[in-house]
Amino acid sequence: DQQVKQNSPSLSVQEGRISILNCDYTNSMFDYFLWYKKYPAEGPTFLISISSIKDKNEDGRFTVFLNKSAKHLSLHIVPSQPGDSAVYFCAASGDNDMRFGAGTRLTVKP
Amino acid sequence: KAGVTQTPRYLIKTRGQQVTLSCSPISGHRSVSWYQQTPGQGLQFLFEYFSETQRNKGNFPGRFSGRQFSNSRSEMNVSTLELGDSALYLCASSFGGMGNSPLHFGNGTRLTVT
Repeated sequence: DQQVKQNSPSLSVQEGRISILNCDYTNSMFDYFLWYKKYPAEGPTFLISISSIKDKNEDGRFTVFLNKSAKHLSLHIVPSQPGDSAVYFCAASGDNDMRFGAGTRLTVKP
Repeated sequence: KAGVTQTPRYLIKTRGQQVTLSCSPISGHRSVSWYQQTPGQGLQFLFEYFSETQRNKGNFPGRFSGRQFSNSRSEMNVSTLELGDSALYLCASSFGGMGNSPLHFGNGTRLTVT
């Protein structure tokens, strides 16, 4: 069963604009959420995280929003840069489990 | 600080054989977790070891096993390989465990079963 879903397999954005990547989860026991970025032939790289006691966490150009009632989180990248082009995975942990979304391929066009 | 190191990078095995993959975590990290990535199933959690004890386990058959040594290095073993085991196997280390702190991934071992 897909407990963590990223419904958009791909997203294309113009350089300088905002990129918004979305993620939905079903297990209310998840209490720690993360975003990872992955380039081809490399392992995922940690970007930003948020615990369930917060609804927003910001780190430079990256902001993660958590809506617990909707079981939804999003990653905002502002401004988007061509180097941000990669596959982005959201992850959720809790209840002795870790689940990943299927990923969203972000393309930032110059 | 050296990152997570996985060896080997590539492996080709025959159905029915067994394979052992190795992972050296970031110095000071006591948690090592393993993941399987396939195009169809995405990234799936296999198991986590913390201070030499298996702490969490995903939904994989008993053919998949692991262990962790006192220096936190970890190995994963897959016995009686099946064609469907062909995948990228990633390990990740973290300081506090996968539920508490970010994971730092290696570049993976690409296993092909023929």
